[in-house]
Amino acid sequence: QVQLVQSGAEVKKPGTSVKISCKTSGYIFAAYYIYWLRQAPGQGLEWMGVVNPVDGGTSDTQKFRGRLTMTRDTSTSTAYMELRSLTYEDTAVYYCARDKLDYYNGMDVWGQGTTVTVSS
Amino acid sequence: DIVMTQSPLSLAVTPGEPASISCRASQSLRHSSGYNYLDWYLQKPGQSPQLLIYVASTRASGVPDRFSGSGSGTDFTLRISRVEAEDVGVYYCMQGLQTYRTFGQGTKVEI
Repeated sequence: QVQLVQSGAEVKKPGTSVKISCKTSGYIFAAYYIYWLRQAPGQGLEWMGVVNPVDGGTSDTQKFRGRLTMTRDTSTSTAYMELRSLTYEDTAVYYCARDKLDYYNGMDVWGQGTTVTVSS
Repeated sequence: DIVMTQSPLSLAVTPGEPASISCRASQSLRHSSGYNYLDWYLQKPGQSPQLLIYVASTRASGVPDRFSGSGSGTDFTLRISRVEAEDVGVYYCMQGLQTYRTFGQGTKVEI
């Protein structure tokens, strides 16, 4: 079955970086964008960016520009998200989700979420 | 950026009764294809969000037919024909017209 399995919870100090993986299975990796989103404690959903699995092209929001890197490894069907210069406000659950490349289909499968806690 | 506004933000429902949530976009979500790029997601307690409706009115795979979506342009509605206990959680609308996706604030549905 289709799965997006994310790496485990992380505790990081302010100013450091975190890298989260999203391992996909059960479908053709090249056929779906991978989106990254996050949810701060008690808050709503926030879109961070997207990576194209075919060419590795990315798009993200101005809010994270310069701190966010999204990559993918087609040999393992895995996407990665690295966020640098962490602050307490980056404490959140981070999700990956997929959406079809060739037509709009909504984000139909999500990862289980990765909790990132920024604490000194 | 497209601003998404949901109402109400909280909704107490009775099992077996209908419920509806509204979502308004700050600009039209109508794509050149003719579809409205508006999704509805449900986040059940302690779970990842799940897709309910895409392009405003198409139910995602496996979604019960008691859920329906309608609307066009800037105004959209999610309806539950007969609420069940398992429908509790936070419902979000999301625009997919711009690459930078934006969500409504969420509507918390409780029994």
